[in-house]
Amino acid sequence: SQKIEQNSEALNIQEGKTATLTCNYTNYSPAYLQWYRQDPGRGPVFLLLIRENEKEKRKERLKVTFDTTLKQSLFHITASQPADSATYLCALLPNSGYSTLTFGKGTMLLVSP
Amino acid sequence: GAGVSQTPSNKVTEKGKYVELRCDPISGHTALYWYRQSLGQGPEFLIYFQGTGAADDSGLPNDRFFAVRPEGSVSTLKIQRTERGDSAVYLCASSPMGQGTGELFFGEGSRLTVL
Repeated sequence: SQKIEQNSEALNIQEGKTATLTCNYTNYSPAYLQWYRQDPGRGPVFLLLIRENEKEKRKERLKVTFDTTLKQSLFHITASQPADSATYLCALLPNSGYSTLTFGKGTMLLVSP
Repeated sequence: GAGVSQTPSNKVTEKGKYVELRCDPISGHTALYWYRQSLGQGPEFLIYFQGTGAADDSGLPNDRFFAVRPEGSVSTLKIQRTERGDSAVYLCASSPMGQGTGELFFGEGSRLTVL
């Protein structure tokens, strides 16, 4: 069956360190993958998009990698800050004629001062 | 407004009642999506509109759920004979492009509680 897997356990890190979140998928051939941030009681907010033919994408302190062989995307936040604490969702668009994003469950990140 | 607007932000109803949730997308966005999010889960797709028509309604769980977008702008999600299992946050998103080719702009959601 098709699955998108993100770590269900919260990731706790110290301010200033790099946070790395993982998104694994099975039985998909995604055209692209997106990452969203969601704060409690709020809607998700788009962060980055990476296409199947791209290996890496950067935006300020954020970096996303996409390995279609491993079926995995890694999301990095460098020099993390307490304000980065939130749930991070990965979402993908399945390749075969689908037109809607499928989301993972998300991973909560907690950055301590 | 500048963003996607959803009303009501909170709705408490009794089992068996009818509920309507409204979404006002960003002006000019042709694509509109409804998702449902339960506690600790990611958003689950319900229905996608391209203009006035439902391009994909495969996520609607059963025939108690229905959505319309009569003029290609505002959309209403309608739930008949609500059940306790319908309790969730209902998220609306819009996009300037169709066919899922870009980022989604989400509203803050409508939290539905069925007692």
